[in-house]
Parts: sequence; structure tokens; C-alpha cells
Amino acid sequence: DGGITQSPKYLFRKEGQNVTLSCEQNLNHDAMYWYRQDPGQGLRLIYYSQIVNDFQKGDIAEGYSVSREKKESFPLTVTSAQKNPTAFYLCASTPTRVYYNEQFFGPGTRLTVL
Amino acid sequence: RKEVEQDPGPFNVPEGATVAFNCTYSNSASQSFFWYRQDCRKEPKLLMSVYSSGNEDGRFTAQLNRASQYISLLIRDSKLSDSATYLCVVNSRDNYGQNFVFGPGTRLSVLP
Repeated sequence: DGGITQSPKYLFRKEGQNVTLSCEQNLNHDAMYWYRQDPGQGLRLIYYSQIVNDFQKGDIAEGYSVSREKKESFPLTVTSAQKNPTAFYLCASTPTRVYYNEQFFGPGTRLTVL
Repeated sequence: RKEVEQDPGPFNVPEGATVAFNCTYSNSASQSFFWYRQDCRKEPKLLMSVYSSGNEDGRFTAQLNRASQYISLLIRDSKLSDSATYLCVVNSRDNYGQNFVFGPGTRLSVLP
């Protein structure tokens, strides 16, 4: 089945450590996105990529980094510079050729800093 | 002013009630609009796209008013399973590509 996978589902990190969240899609979508969601809040855009080897900062990119070496993969690294990384992280994708298409989401990774 | 605003909620309604959610957006260049549903601790899932002429899917009706930059979602005959957070999403193009902006969500609890 086509879809978006994220791993791990739960992740615990000690302060000062970098961690990488995985996002893979087999929908052949061009655009991929990373969002952060805090309890009781909406989704905030961290980074997005419209094409391989290119990406742009979203509203809250500080303390995060991404890469887009393959169309199907868009990993997110949460660095030690991110002051409050405990949150629910969601990866999404969308085709870009049809403008009115919605976003498809992965199941998310819940990151907790100990 | 936030780009996408929604009723603050929560909405607590009895089964069978009709409930309406409102959403406003600030970017007049926005091109496409969606309602997503998010269950607790889960990812958002598309409920319905919103078209200029309005559209209906069973008990759900979505309306768009571009002049007022306003979107609505009506749920008729509420079920317990409708309990969730409803997210209004607006899609526009920036210099880079497609950008989806999410409202903060409105939580609905349908009570027996």
C-alpha cells in the first residue's frame, strides 16, 4: 500500500543529544513537509521541500536540519540547539503537479527530552 | 492577526445535534481549502476539500466564501465517533512552492 512511514513512533532523548527522525513516502510525491505540534496547539511548519536537493525553512526552523537526497525520503534532525524539542512531529507530502491536492500525513513521532 | 483562525472551542454537544465550525483566513491569494480531522495523539486525516460552490459528503457540509475569506463546516446528526479536533487548512503559493497553513483546531466532544 502507498503511504508515508515515520520512525520511530516514540523517541526519548537526553538533553544535548542530536536525534534524527525518519520520513519515507512511496506515493511519488514531489513535496514533503515537517511539522511540529505541541499539546493543544496547531501544526507549525519546520521545513519543507518541493524537489530533491532543495528545501526551505518554515516558521520554526531554528534548532532543526533536514536533507532531501532522495525523492522518497526527508529526514529531520533535531539538534541540541533546539531549546524545547519535546513535541509531536508530523511528516507530510503532496504532489505538486495538481495544485488543489491535499496533504497526506505519516503517523508521527513523539519525541520526549529527558 | 493569525493567518488562519478558528472557533476556540471546545464544543460539547449531545448526540444527534447539529454543530457548525467557522474558520477565517487572511491571505486573499489562497487557492485551496480543506477540513482535516485529528483524533487524540494521531495524525490529521482529510475530512473534505472545500470548493467555491460548497460541497456535501453525507452528514458533512463545507462552504467557502472567498469575498469574506471565510470557511465553514457543518456536521448534522452528530455521532459519538465525530468527537475529534477539526483543523481548517488553507493552501497558497509562496515564492518557493505550495504552503499549507493550519488553524489551531476546534475540539468537538459528542456526548451520549
